[in-house]
Amino acid sequence: ETGVTQSPTHLIKTRGQQVTLRCSSQSGHNTVSWYQQALGQGPQFIFQYYREEENGRGNFPPRFSGLQFPNYSSELNVNALELDDSALYLCASSSPQGPEETQYFGPGTRLLVL
Amino acid sequence: AQTVTQSQPEMSVQEAETVTLSCTYDTSENNYYLFWYKQPPSRQMILVIRQEAYKQQNATENRFSVNFQKAAKSFSLKISDSQLGDTAMYFCAFALYNNNDMRFGAGTRLTVKP
Repeated sequence: ETGVTQSPTHLIKTRGQQVTLRCSSQSGHNTVSWYQQALGQGPQFIFQYYREEENGRGNFPPRFSGLQFPNYSSELNVNALELDDSALYLCASSSPQGPEETQYFGPGTRLLVL
Repeated sequence: AQTVTQSQPEMSVQEAETVTLSCTYDTSENNYYLFWYKQPPSRQMILVIRQEAYKQQNATENRFSVNFQKAAKSFSLKISDSQLGDTAMYFCAFALYNNNDMRFGAGTRLTVKP
């Protein structure tokens, strides 16, 4: 297993609510990326944080927001939940020290929106 | 926009045999990164192999090797001496910058049969 952890493992919310997902990076990694993986599909890039600043964003609306803390742990916040937000949310940490650096994924948080 | 296509939703192979998973991508860029990730059932996604587009030599990692055809925009994964533990979803991915804004294909479910 990688050193990346995520909490909670599962979550059920209702439409319109807000949710916060958490990710703890592998030791020494200062970069974290978040992905949404709908059932039966590949992951879709939401955004990346590097040293507490957003460093790239995919095609997701502003109600998806994030934070990275000084210890490089991270949060993904989703406001005004919609049914289509039901998915597995993955975070991945890396250290951008060179092209050989590997990105390590966490086990994911499975979100169900009713 | 960069897109990744995996045309084989499911494949199976007998233990100890060889299997090739296909991936094509679309980009107008000259330099980029290509990846194969493995997602075992209920386990974390892990990097199998990575290829940098400017390197003409195909990447290899033990039993895993790629056939990178830049002009054809093709990036296939060959698994030799298949093992039961290779059973997983395999995702092909593309990124302009290592580990950032990664674009994934829809995946190929590989089953290794005893």
